[in-house]
Amino acid sequence: DTAVSQTPKYLVTQMGNDKSIKCEQNLGHDTMYWYKQDSKKFLKIMFSYNNKELIINETVPNRFSPKSPDKAHLNLHINSLELGDSAVYFCASSQESRGTGEQYFGPGTRLTVT
Amino acid sequence: ILNVEQSPQSLHVQEGDSTNFTCSFPSSNFYALHWYRWETAKSPEALFVMTLNGDEKKKGRISATLNTKEGYSYLYIKGSQPEDSATYLCALTIYNQGGKLIFGQGTELSVKP
Repeated sequence: DTAVSQTPKYLVTQMGNDKSIKCEQNLGHDTMYWYKQDSKKFLKIMFSYNNKELIINETVPNRFSPKSPDKAHLNLHINSLELGDSAVYFCASSQESRGTGEQYFGPGTRLTVT
Repeated sequence: ILNVEQSPQSLHVQEGDSTNFTCSFPSSNFYALHWYRWETAKSPEALFVMTLNGDEKKKGRISATLNTKEGYSYLYIKGSQPEDSATYLCALTIYNQGGKLIFGQGTELSVKP
């Protein structure tokens, strides 16, 4: 059983489109995250949710809107896609939101905007 | 802006060599230091989480130490094997920041048979 899953794995789309990436965890964790791997391969936090509530929004453009329908899911919707949005997006989860627990990462979604 | 620095950026060793990497971080507001192992085409996998000054953790041939007063952590691999080839990431969490990980740029390890 996959602990943290993301769909799709690859996403190719044109500028201006709206797209969503889905994330699900079956670990029973309370906290979920979205990270972006930039062109220099740095992983940077975008959002953190705890029990369906947003607790971190790391100055991400408001074209990015996370949604957590329940604590096992954290989806990422991106409006009006731009070339600079091309990256690999990783979802992760952890038992708690204090930062002392391991985070479990999904396989990543490679987004290419043309 | 908090910076987490890792050195070296890359490392090439022979099978059987022991090696170590460094992670440097600002010690103010420190909450926890994480080490992750990231193999190509896979997702980052947690190795250790350390919270106390002087903490030492070990998993098989891999161990890590933490000095929160001077702001550094070392990761050691004893008797490197080709399957140890991966990027090793350290990440900092700071107090009351919702558990977000602040990652270093990683150390890419290549172990030749």
